[in-house]
Amino acid sequence: DTAVSQTPKYLVTQMGNDKSIKCEQNLGHDTMYWYKQDSKKFLKIMFSYNNKELIINETVPNRFSPKSPDKAHLNLHINSLELGDSAVYFCASSQDPQGRAEAFFGQGTRLTVV
Amino acid sequence: GESVGLHLPTLSVQEGDNSIINCAYSNSASDYFIWYKQESGKGPQFIIDIRSNMDKRQGQRVTVLLNKTVKHLSLQIAATQPGDSAVYFCAENLGQRSGGTSYGKLTFGQGTILTVHP
Repeated sequence: DTAVSQTPKYLVTQMGNDKSIKCEQNLGHDTMYWYKQDSKKFLKIMFSYNNKELIINETVPNRFSPKSPDKAHLNLHINSLELGDSAVYFCASSQDPQGRAEAFFGQGTRLTVV
Repeated sequence: GESVGLHLPTLSVQEGDNSIINCAYSNSASDYFIWYKQESGKGPQFIIDIRSNMDKRQGQRVTVLLNKTVKHLSLQIAATQPGDSAVYFCAENLGQRSGGTSYGKLTFGQGTILTVHP
């Protein structure tokens, strides 16, 4: 039983396209995140939601729009994809919105923009 | 040994040796710290955590040390095994407030590549 699952695992698309990555967690957590990991393995938070409400929105281009239809899901939609968006995107969830508990990560979605 | 530069720091050890991975964190107000292990093609996995009111915490084969004076965190792995080979990240949590809402923000360090030779 996968705790945090993301789909797809791999995504190859052309510049200018719009794409979505889906994330679901079955841990009953209220808090979910999106992280971006670049080619140098640097992990940076993009968004955080608590109980479907946006609580962290880092300096991310408006082309990135998270959507949380319910507490168990946090999807990421990206418009007008650019070469620089190529990265691995990780979804995570945590039981503590104040960040003092471990975050459980999904397997990642490797996005390649060509 | 360790090397730091444009690439991730690396640490190579022999199987059975003890490993020490170091991390400098940035914010003296951070209240919670966590170590993650990331294997190739996978997401980060929790190893051990420590709150800012502690200076040492032990798990199974792992120990985390926190030195708040110099803002330094270390992960010690005893009797390192080939399966421990991975990238290791430290992360710090900084509590924040926005309006009436408190929330945490986990910031990751650079990562260290650990390679264990049989």
